[in-house]
Amino acid sequence: DQQVKQNSPSLSVQEGRISILNCDYTNSMFDYFLWYKKYPAEGPTFLISISSIKDKNEDGRFTVFLNKSAKHLSLHIVPSQPGDSAVYFCAAKKTSGNTGKLIFGQGTTLQVKP
Amino acid sequence: KAGVTQTPRYLIKTRGQQVTLSCSPISGHRSVSWYQQTPGQGLQFLFEYFSETQRNKGNFPGRFSGRQFSNSRSEMNVSTLELGDSALYLCASSLGLAASTDTQYFGPGTRLTVL
Repeated sequence: DQQVKQNSPSLSVQEGRISILNCDYTNSMFDYFLWYKKYPAEGPTFLISISSIKDKNEDGRFTVFLNKSAKHLSLHIVPSQPGDSAVYFCAAKKTSGNTGKLIFGQGTTLQVKP
Repeated sequence: KAGVTQTPRYLIKTRGQQVTLSCSPISGHRSVSWYQQTPGQGLQFLFEYFSETQRNKGNFPGRFSGRQFSNSRSEMNVSTLELGDSALYLCASSLGLAASTDTQYFGPGTRLTVL
């Protein structure tokens, strides 16, 4: 049972435009969400997170939006740069469980074309 | 501050053998989690250790085990290796605070190939 889903395996955008990566979850107990970026042969790098008490969090070019009623979150990258080309994973956790366990989506490969 | 380190980076084993992977967390971090990444299953949670105690365990067979030492360094062991164990094994560390939103930071991973 895939509790966190990233339905788009890949996304291609032009440099300078907006990239929008989507993520859906099924478990209503999840209350903290994170986005990681991963290059080949490296570990995931933390990008940005959002708590369920918020609907938006912004950090530089990266903004994450959370729609709890739809159980949907999205990562916006504006403007997109060629160095953003990587695999992006969304992850979710339950903070009440006294555990750091993260449930990951399958990832979306972003290609930013110069 | 140094990041999460994992050794070795690459490993080749044959079926039936066992393997031990090592992870050194960020200084001050007391929680270490392990994940397996495969093309078909994505990133799957293996287990989490906090203050030398296993705090959570994923849905993996008993061949997968781990431990954490008093300095927060962690090892995971896979016995009786199978071809399907070929994967990237990732270690992540965090402060490990209860009911927390603290972030997990990942190491570069160990690429295990089972022949």
